[in-house]
Amino acid sequence: DTEVTQTPKHLVMGMTNKKSLKCEQHMGHRAMYWYKQKAKKPPELMFVYSYEKLSINESVPSRFSPECPNSSLLNLHLHALQPEDSALYLCASSPIGQKLAKNIQYFGAGTRLSVL
Amino acid sequence: TQLLEQSPQFLSIQEGENLTVYCNSSSVFSSLQWYRQEPGEGPVLLVTVVTGGEVKKLKRLTFQFGDARKDSSLHITAAQPGDTGLYLCAGARTSGSRLTFGEGTQLTVNP
Repeated sequence: DTEVTQTPKHLVMGMTNKKSLKCEQHMGHRAMYWYKQKAKKPPELMFVYSYEKLSINESVPSRFSPECPNSSLLNLHLHALQPEDSALYLCASSPIGQKLAKNIQYFGAGTRLSVL
Repeated sequence: TQLLEQSPQFLSIQEGENLTVYCNSSSVFSSLQWYRQEPGEGPVLLVTVVTGGEVKKLKRLTFQFGDARKDSSLHITAAQPGDTGLYLCAGARTSGSRLTFGEGTQLTVNP
């Protein structure tokens, strides 16, 4: 099973709303990632969690707030977003410390976010 | 600085034709992954290559990792409309590190 599940699949929100994106994996992976992707462009890394601790923040604006409640779950809390934040938000996970599989990232299907 | 140069960016071919996509870098990667992504979906892992000179085959797709682990190619034989999508290469340098993505190749296979 290499499944990463993201909800919701689509989200439309106003600039004053607060919403959350959710990501779940049961592969025992201890690294989890949030990416932002614009159409026909590669994913851009936003945050990395290792062993449930934030290890990388790619200078993301504070209107995006990640949370890792446990080793299987990753959330992205959204508040006061701008229209230019509309994009596909991808979650990924990867194992840590397994020699042959160490760099493989598995992606979810994404949440298509539209900010009005 | 774009560390992984992927080419071509766009490719439109007829069903049955062959094609090759390239990923090149001046940096050494410990592994390189190829993904295919369809509109509105997440990238789906096709293959990971880790050994210099490694060749992996997945049905009509052949992946090669350069001897020096700085470049990789994806060759598709007898392309089909179902191969249409965005192909992404992504390299990693160390365990648990971030991936460096190429700019992607948007492939369209016309029936």
